[in-house]
Amino acid sequence: GAVVSQHPSRVICKSGTSVKIECRSLDFQATTMFWYRQFPKQSLMLMATSNEGSKATYEQGVEKDKFLINHASLTLSTLTVTSAHPEDSSFYICSAPPEDRDRGQPQHFGDGTRLSIL
Amino acid sequence: DAKTTQPPSMDCAEGRAANLPCNHSTISGNEYVYWYRQIHSQGPQYIIHGLKNNETNEMASLIITEDRKSSTLILPHATLRDTAVYYCIVRVGGSNYKLTFGKGTLLTVNP
Repeated sequence: GAVVSQHPSRVICKSGTSVKIECRSLDFQATTMFWYRQFPKQSLMLMATSNEGSKATYEQGVEKDKFLINHASLTLSTLTVTSAHPEDSSFYICSAPPEDRDRGQPQHFGDGTRLSIL
Repeated sequence: DAKTTQPPSMDCAEGRAANLPCNHSTISGNEYVYWYRQIHSQGPQYIIHGLKNNETNEMASLIITEDRKSSTLILPHATLRDTAVYYCIVRVGGSNYKLTFGKGTLLTVNP
């Protein structure tokens, strides 16, 4: 079945560092990918929609200059947390919808990236 | 997308069936019911989905009421590894593919 790979699984870095997270669709092409953030004991919150070949669409309240999204190919989307601070520490998860969307096929998720900013 | 209501937590004995309810009284005719689960510190895992008919796969069964206003996810023989947060999500298939996660149900399977 469809598989989404996310890398790295865990990052620990100093405040002010920029961190890049990769999301790959391994056996299908994804013109759209989604980025979620999850704080402890909370549900997943959609941050942005990544669109291949065009600008990402950000949810209300998400800083586009803080969270840079690039979707350069049909199998890769990246999220860069720029000048990360401790409040950016969270669990970041990507997902990709399948090729045949109109039949209600399920979306598949990466395993997430635990970001810890010291 | 239609809003869903799930109990915040449930307990189940290992080996017994776990029945997780979900209310979606405002569901539209073209909205599917999806179930995902999230084990601690992992990404959500797809379980099953359906539109009108009951569905079964190797993981679970999905029972959708005739009026489609509620559904039940059934794990037939729960194991300790089934302890997770279970999310019921309703949405249309098609171009607008965002999934909106509620708080889900924390299922704890006890030995």
